[in-house]
Amino acid sequence: DAKTTQPTSMDCAEGRAANLPCNHSTISGNEYVYWYRQIHSQGPQYIIHGLKNNETNEMASLIITEDRKSSTLILPHATLRDTAVYYCIVRGGSNYKLTFGKGTLLTVNP
Amino acid sequence: DAGVTQSPTHLIKTRGQQVTLRCSPKSGHDTVSWYQQALGQGPQFIFQYYEEEERQRGNFPDRFSGHQFPNYSSELNVNALLLGDSALYLCASSLGSGGAHEQYFGPGTRLTVT
Repeated sequence: DAKTTQPTSMDCAEGRAANLPCNHSTISGNEYVYWYRQIHSQGPQYIIHGLKNNETNEMASLIITEDRKSSTLILPHATLRDTAVYYCIVRGGSNYKLTFGKGTLLTVNP
Repeated sequence: DAGVTQSPTHLIKTRGQQVTLRCSPKSGHDTVSWYQQALGQGPQFIFQYYEEEERQRGNFPDRFSGHQFPNYSSELNVNALLLGDSALYLCASSLGSGGAHEQYFGPGTRLTVT
């Protein structure tokens, strides 16, 4: 699976949009981009995933660039409960496992 | 709709002992994956079970073994425990395996080896 690069940490003001970037320049055509988050000592929470098109669900939006080499997770109105480590993961279509990196610690400030 | 459940929540064992952790998948899911998360690290894939067989295995020794039952629930067994096995053990379930199927995680079992 392609490697991902994320900033170590980011801050966001409560009520504002949080935009978390991820670089995956070596992604191949059949690889999906997944986003998970983990609040301290809890199990990771699935947020969203996509292959080529932008995706939106009740939690977030995923914007994938046309060349698929990078993506952005958007939390439209961040709350204090969105403070967590966010993991961007690239996963092949035939790959069973999720490979977690270090992720981005997002801190939402009041 | 019940999510992924794991038991026990916490466990303390002594070096050399054996431990069994249990996982019930989300309703309707047929695939279970296990991960180990050491303190301050991201989860590391141990193995995945589908149709009661191990489909893929991560870089873990044979001391780590598993089983999936006909009702899709699963167990993770660790023999000859080492201090380094202390970690949060996570179970994730999905409907089918492969990259197109999102995995949903349980709350984890915190194992402490003394």
